[in-house]
Amino acid sequence: DAMVIQNPRYQVTQFGKPVTLSCSQTLNHNVMYWYQQKSSQAPKLLFHYYDKDFNNEADTPDNFQSRRPNTSFCFLDIRSPGLGDAAMYLCATSRDAGGGTSRRNNEQFFGPGTRLTVL
Amino acid sequence: GIQVEQSPPDLILQEGANSTLRCNFSDSVNNLQWFHQNPWGQLINLFYIPSGTKQNGRLSATTVATERYSLLYISSSQTTDSGVYFCAVGYGQNFVFGPGTRLSVLP
Repeated sequence: DAMVIQNPRYQVTQFGKPVTLSCSQTLNHNVMYWYQQKSSQAPKLLFHYYDKDFNNEADTPDNFQSRRPNTSFCFLDIRSPGLGDAAMYLCATSRDAGGGTSRRNNEQFFGPGTRLTVL
Repeated sequence: GIQVEQSPPDLILQEGANSTLRCNFSDSVNNLQWFHQNPWGQLINLFYIPSGTKQNGRLSATTVATERYSLLYISSSQTTDSGVYFCAVGYGQNFVFGPGTRLSVLP
C-alpha cells in the first residue's frame, strides 16, 4: 500500500543535542510538509517543500531546518533542541492541484508521527 | 492570516447518539479536510471536501464554501469514535488546522 512512513516513532534526545527525524513516502507526491503538534494543541505547519522549493513559515524558529534529497524522502533537523521543542512531529504529503504560479494544495496524507522527548 | 474555529471544543455523548461538529473559516479556501486523531496521534483522513456533501458509512460532511463553514455529522456514535476531530483548510500552498473538537463517547 502507498503510504507515508516516519522514523523513528519515538525519539529521546538531550537538551542541545542535534536530532534528525525522517519521513519517506511511496505516494510519489510532489509536496511534503512538516508539522509540530504540542500536547492538546492543533498541528502547526513548520515548512513545506513544493518539489525542491523550500517554503518556511514566518514564525518557524531558525533552530528547525529541513532537507529533501529526493522526491521520496524529507528530513527535519533540530539543531539545538530545547525543552519547548518536545512535541509530536507530523509529516504529510500532497499532490499539487495547480501549476505554474497558481500552486495550490490537494488532499494531505499524514504519517504516524514521531514523538520527541527532550531531557 | 486565515482564522479557523471549531465548535464545540468538547463533546460527550452516549453510545448511539448523533452529533454535529462545525468548522468556520474566515476567508476563501481551496481545500478543506476533516481528520480524526486517534489515541496514538495518527491523523486519519475522513473527508476531503472543499465543497458539497459526502458520506462514508456513519459519517457525512458538508461544506458551504460561499458561507465559509463545514459540518461533520456522526450518526449512531460508537466508543471507537472517541478522539479529537480536526478540520484543516488550505489556501495557496498553506494549511491551517482548527483547534479541534474532543469527542468522548461513553458506553
